[in-house]
Amino acid sequence: DAGVTQSPTHLIKTRGQHVTLRCSPISGHKSVSWYQQVLGQGPQFIFQYYEKEERGRGNFPDRFSARQFPNYSSELNVNALLLGDSALYLCASSLTRLSGANVLTFGAGSRLTVL
Amino acid sequence: GESVGLHLPTLSVQEGDNSIINCAYSNSASDYFIWYKQESGKGPQFIIDIRSNMDKRQGQRVTVLLNKTVKHLSLQIAATQPGDSAVYFCAENGSGANSKLTFGKGITLSVRP
Repeated sequence: DAGVTQSPTHLIKTRGQHVTLRCSPISGHKSVSWYQQVLGQGPQFIFQYYEKEERGRGNFPDRFSARQFPNYSSELNVNALLLGDSALYLCASSLTRLSGANVLTFGAGSRLTVL
Repeated sequence: GESVGLHLPTLSVQEGDNSIINCAYSNSASDYFIWYKQESGKGPQFIIDIRSNMDKRQGQRVTVLLNKTVKHLSLQIAATQPGDSAVYFCAENGSGANSKLTFGKGITLSVRP
């Protein structure tokens, strides 16, 4: 069974552009979360989606948005890119949106570089 | 504010020795504490978790200890192997109906042959 898959794996953008990152969760997982990991830091929570609805949002500006599709895949969109948006963007899926034994499985990430 | 952090940025151990990675947290309301391992070029990989009402949990070659009195979490790795070299993160899974994780900064474990 395939794990969490993300695309693209690497991309380079310039300031002011926008980017769309994609994620396919593990089959059967209905929850998708997005995290930003700046070099040398731990991942920071951006969004959680469950059953196509936003269930949680981290401390990120409105330039960041996401959505989840009927097949549970997800997109993360970032508008008006800034240099500080350069990071590894991680997608994680889980069976439910509940806490507890709700282990997140992470993808390998999309490495975004903003020039 | 709430934070999860690690005491040391790097740890170097001899192959075969035991490793102990420590973490401090500040949010007493967390239900679960989790350790993740991240190898170069990969996403974080779940190692082990512990519920807040427990003080010890063992897995295969790993043990997690939770001391709620001093808000301290540790990961013990027995007989450390070269494949254990990675960055280790402790994280807290907040209480309530969400699966948001709050991660610490991470510590690099380097295993010397």
